[in-house]
Amino acid sequence: EVQLVESGGALAQPGGSLRLSCAASGFSFNKYALSWVRQAPGKGLEWVSAISSTGGSTYYSDSVKGRFSISRDNSKNTLSLQMDSLRAEDTAVYFCAKDIYGGISYYFDSWGQGTLVAVSS
Amino acid sequence: EIVLTQSPATLSLSPGERATLSCRASQSVSSSLAWYQQKPGQAPRLLIYGASNRATGIPARFSGSGSGTDFTLTISSLEPADFAVYYCQLSANWPTFGPGTTVDIK
Repeated sequence: EVQLVESGGALAQPGGSLRLSCAASGFSFNKYALSWVRQAPGKGLEWVSAISSTGGSTYYSDSVKGRFSISRDNSKNTLSLQMDSLRAEDTAVYFCAKDIYGGISYYFDSWGQGTLVAVSS
Repeated sequence: EIVLTQSPATLSLSPGERATLSCRASQSVSSSLAWYQQKPGQAPRLLIYGASNRATGIPARFSGSGSGTDFTLTISSLEPADFAVYYCQLSANWPTFGPGTTVDIK
């Protein structure tokens, strides 16, 4: 059974940093692309970032480009999101999501339970 | 940037009824569209990908159709577990989600 477990969410100050992690199990981690998707309280879903199976290609939404950095450790089955220069509008539940295919298709067939990031002074 | 709109915003139906949800793209997206179901406090669940392919484990009462700019998710006979929010999502290049349709109990 595929499992994705996020951690690292917390209350942060504007301009601060956080690092989210997603521990994966139940599938061949190094064969699938992964993404982060967020959901502000009471709002819809917003794709944030994606990384290829090897980690060699990364993609970002315009809203986080230059501030967030996605990475993965295929030896530890872990996905990470380094979040710098945080803003109030980054407040959301952050989900890690597995791509249905080996390449990046942006069809997400497995999701974690999410971790809450709150940015406030 | 391609924008997705969903209609209606809310659909009030009774168990056993048929639900028809619409998703429209501001320009053609071929068949690069997915549908997700989300219940309160839960992660989204993939229902349909490639406009019409059911994801693993999804019951046959869920079906997707359409291509280009107009897409439909149909739930043939609503069960109590189906009352939730449904999002369509563009899968190409810039993954964008629609604003969602809430299916609630009439």
